Amino acid sequence: GENVEQHPSTLSVQEGDSAVIKCTYSDSASNYFPWYKQELGKRPQLIIDIRSNVGEKKDQRIAVTLNKTAKHFSLHITETQPEDSAVYFCAARGPGGNQFYFGTGTSLTVIP
Amino acid sequence: KAGVTQTPRYLIKTRGQQVTLSCSPISGHRSVSWYQQTPGQGLQFLFEYFSETQRNKGNFPGRFSGRQFSNSRSEMNVSTLELGDSALYLCASSLGGQEIGYTFGSGTRLTVV
Repeated sequence: GENVEQHPSTLSVQEGDSAVIKCTYSDSASNYFPWYKQELGKRPQLIIDIRSNVGEKKDQRIAVTLNKTAKHFSLHITETQPEDSAVYFCAARGPGGNQFYFGTGTSLTVIP
Repeated sequence: KAGVTQTPRYLIKTRGQQVTLSCSPISGHRSVSWYQQTPGQGLQFLFEYFSETQRNKGNFPGRFSGRQFSNSRSEMNVSTLELGDSALYLCASSLGGQEIGYTFGSGTRLTVV
């Protein structure tokens, strides 16, 4: 099955700096890649996603890029704010159905 | 529109007991997936139900089972609980097709003592 690796596991940045989280996947047939943000004690929430036929997508301060050839995708957060502090999960949907494979998460801390 | 509702929110059980968790998806969503979340293992896929049928299954022992009712509500059952089953169990709903990602519920925090 699909295998998703996520790096780094922890990330600390100063407020206003950028943060980048990277994920790789193994199954070239995976076609959809969402990112979830989970604040402490809360549910994971979808923040941005990208389909395999798109190379980049932006939504205000967050963006996701996808390199299908290298089988990796990244989350970019610019002008970070303390409320961006959370655990971020990447995921890949396999081609066979509705099953998502998640990375192990990145704990992002934005230092005021 | 109501979100994904999981009950109960917290549960403490004794090793060897069994437990049933419930998930009500967003109205109109026919797919319900279950995940186990632990600090060391992240989000581990348990199974997915679509229109009352198990469509996908993860690599968990047979002690973990589930079902889905005609109204799309789903239950997950764990029998013969072990200490290692302590985790946050998340349910996620979606329309079931190749559209967008899940909407997660708030989870059930299970502690096995």
